[in-house]
Amino acid sequence: AAGVIQSPRHLIKEKRETATLKCYPIPRHDTVYWYQQGPGQDPQFLISFYEKMQSDKGSIPDRFSAQQFSDYHSELNMSSLELGDSALYFCASSPIASPYNEQFFGPGTRLTVL
Amino acid sequence: AQSVTQLDSQVPVFEEAPVELRCNYSSSVSVYLFWYVQYPNQGLQLLLKYLSGSTLVKGINGFEAEFNKSQTSFHLRKPSVHISDTAEYFCAVSEPYNQGGKLIFGQGTELSVKP
Repeated sequence: AAGVIQSPRHLIKEKRETATLKCYPIPRHDTVYWYQQGPGQDPQFLISFYEKMQSDKGSIPDRFSAQQFSDYHSELNMSSLELGDSALYFCASSPIASPYNEQFFGPGTRLTVL
Repeated sequence: AQSVTQLDSQVPVFEEAPVELRCNYSSSVSVYLFWYVQYPNQGLQLLLKYLSGSTLVKGINGFEAEFNKSQTSFHLRKPSVHISDTAEYFCAVSEPYNQGGKLIFGQGTELSVKP
């Protein structure tokens, strides 16, 4: 079965650089969630999209932005990177009109900021 | 607001012993509860979920969990663990879909199975 695809899997950047993380949801999933997991931490919700519109926003820095495109894939753009942005970034997708909100997670992108 | 508390940050156990990972939640609305497992350097894999109905939920890899509304708990159990169960386990509660539906995770429990 198709799963959530995230690219790249690993990314190394310098401070103050920018990064773009991509997420391709499972086919026919219209909702995408982004989570950030710092070292030794639990995943924290960043932002979500439903039908290409932002549906909810969590503790996402102003330096970050995201969008969902017409093919439902999503991109998380991160600018002016800081050391503290080093983390594992997960994308999850949810089926159309799922009242139970079962989320399927991708393998994550590990971002290292030097 | 919803929250999740995992009562043990680390649980060491010997192979073939039973294990229970404890999770308590706080919610003012109907809840959907989940357990995810994260193996080293990997993503999150759904173990099991409670949506409604029977309070005893069976998941993959021989795990099960019991939803207890009066105690606001959703503890994860396995009668006999294997070395391969060594991983980080996260309990999570889902916000209602019409409120955004994000998952709120507990702090995680590191299960370490020793031979």
